[in-house]
Amino acid sequence: QKEVEQNSGPLSVPEGAIASLNCTYSDRGSQSFFWYRQYSGKSPELIMSIYSNGDKEDGRFTAQLNKASQYVSLLIRDSQPSDSATYLCAVRIGGRRALTFGSGTRLQVQP
Amino acid sequence: ETGVTQSPTHLIKTRGQQVTLRCSSQSGHNTVSWYQQALGQGPQFIFQYYREEENGRGNFPPRFSGLQFPNYSSELNVNALELDDSALYLCASSQAGQLGGYTFGSGTRLTVV
Repeated sequence: QKEVEQNSGPLSVPEGAIASLNCTYSDRGSQSFFWYRQYSGKSPELIMSIYSNGDKEDGRFTAQLNKASQYVSLLIRDSQPSDSATYLCAVRIGGRRALTFGSGTRLQVQP
Repeated sequence: ETGVTQSPTHLIKTRGQQVTLRCSSQSGHNTVSWYQQALGQGPQFIFQYYREEENGRGNFPPRFSGLQFPNYSSELNVNALELDDSALYLCASSQAGQLGGYTFGSGTRLTVV
């Protein structure tokens, strides 16, 4: 079992719709959770962080964390073609200094 | 405030050669982490440096080595290059003890032929 798992996609949504991206993790000691956006050929860009159960909203983005079920999700409202990218889930597993990444979900927003 | 900068941006090497990649930390950051991202995969942790010493390492062989300098900049060295070393190499700087996410540099694309 991978430590951080994501559906590779592609997830295709029409422009203006809500895109829902999911991530599960295996270690209950995980403390911090992050979402990165990566455009093709570019480096990952941090877009959201969440540390406690519940929702965290930032503009069109909402991160949701459920530690009991060991999943974290990212909702993108009013999706735009410019949101088309790979979204990486990253987890700081308890006791480790490094972030552990999932393999990413490719999102395609259709105009 | 300057961000994380990496050089070179692209590099082509022959199998068996050695390569050095460079990273300058963001101002105020004393920790540098290196990641390898193969095509279609998420970044994989190589190692982290703090106060010029390696203080964490992922599942990479010893031919991957690094340095951190007094100004907190860093180098990643890879010896005896293999075709599978072809990847995007990412550097991130942070302040020791911070729990936030990393800010990555723009990366170095290494191609081994």
